[in-house]
Amino acid sequence: SAVISQKPSRDICQRGTSLTIQCQVDSQVTMMFWYRQQPGQSLTLIATANQGSEATYESGFVIDKFPISRPNLTFSTLTVSNLSPEDSSIYLCSANRGEGQPQHFGDGTRLSIL
Amino acid sequence: SQQGEEDPQALSIQEGENATMNCSYKTSINNLQWYRQNSGRGLVHLILIRSNEREKHSGRLRVTLDTSKKSSSLLITASRAADTASYFCAAGGATNKLIFGTGTLLAVQP
Repeated sequence: SAVISQKPSRDICQRGTSLTIQCQVDSQVTMMFWYRQQPGQSLTLIATANQGSEATYESGFVIDKFPISRPNLTFSTLTVSNLSPEDSSIYLCSANRGEGQPQHFGDGTRLSIL
Repeated sequence: SQQGEEDPQALSIQEGENATMNCSYKTSINNLQWYRQNSGRGLVHLILIRSNEREKHSGRLRVTLDTSKKSSSLLITASRAADTASYFCAAGGATNKLIFGTGTLLAVQP
């Protein structure tokens, strides 16, 4: 199974600032994904991070708010921009090696906004 | 919303008892995956069952899938206090995106 490292594990940020979350996979993977888990809720997919092209965003999520990079097959970043209290959530990245393969998750980044 | 539903929302049992969680989903799937999450941490992958499979076992876990009813169940046998966690099902489609269920919070009392 893929080992996924995510950092930071948690952060407390001021309103209006941005936070960039890094996700590193221990092997090359075709698919990387970013999810948000609001307090007490389930996970919602933000976007699919594509290597060599722009990310594909789900309904309700836009690139200006959640810019994503995927410079190679083992790394991706998610930036949460112009932070507001509503952005307080756990953000998780995941990856799988191909269609029909298990999708594995990092430990998540717990973000709180002051 | 495409989100799946899980029931019960919360389940409290004694150590040694079995725990059954049910999941219903709305989309067509290639597979159905089950995860465990301990208190706000990352998700641990438990088991993947493909759409052409009806039952799968892994240790104390047994998963069933009924694609005609768009439902799945997770059975944990001989539960332990360490099984206390939230459990999520996730429907996997052709694009590899996962649509998660609402989750079941399992408490196993020692």
